[in-house]
Amino acid sequence: NAGVTQTPKFRVLKTGQSMTLLCAQDMNHEYMYWYRQDPGMGLRLIHYSVGEGTTAKGEVPDGYNVSRLKKQNFLLGLESAAPSQTSVYFCASEGTGGNEQYFGPGTRLTVT
Amino acid sequence: AQSVTQPDIHITVSEGASLELRCNYSYGATPYLFWYVQSPGQGLQLLLKYFSGDTLVQGIKGFEAEFKRSQSSFNLRKPSVHWSDAAEYFCAVGLYSNYQLIWGAGTKLIIKP
Repeated sequence: NAGVTQTPKFRVLKTGQSMTLLCAQDMNHEYMYWYRQDPGMGLRLIHYSVGEGTTAKGEVPDGYNVSRLKKQNFLLGLESAAPSQTSVYFCASEGTGGNEQYFGPGTRLTVT
Repeated sequence: AQSVTQPDIHITVSEGASLELRCNYSYGATPYLFWYVQSPGQGLQLLLKYFSGDTLVQGIKGFEAEFKRSQSSFNLRKPSVHWSDAAEYFCAVGLYSNYQLIWGAGTKLIIKP
């Protein structure tokens, strides 16, 4: 039981490049989330999903897109990376009810 | 708007001393309340949670937290810290009305030998 995994762990992009971050969970959780973490700002929600085939915007969705084609996977895409998207990205999942979230190990993204 | 405040950005405590990390929230009703810990370079791990009932909740690693409705607070405590407790601690509030957590900015705990 791996819990929540994230791929890749590190990535460096040039401005304007695109990439996709993959999150996978093996706990059959309905809800999945993408956060970014920046120093002194805690966690900010980018997008979330309450079930397969559904997505919704969080607090800071601009510049990101997501897809949830399979229940166990939640993809975060950056179509045209900007230096302001340099951050650590965390994926989390949650079973129905109770708001208790389980986190992946994070992806450190640097955009130059 | 709902918010979570962790007033201390950094706290330094000697090993073996007691610890209290503060968390205050702004919300009209009693929310779900959480404390998470993040070790350097790691993801977040749940320490404890409050949903209802006994206002003093026990968590992992010897931590406890007390919910005080009158003060809108959910402070985290540990009677004797260990060097391995050095980490960043996040308070979060879950709302009944949606699926999201509202996060505090975190408190970094530094342990003096």
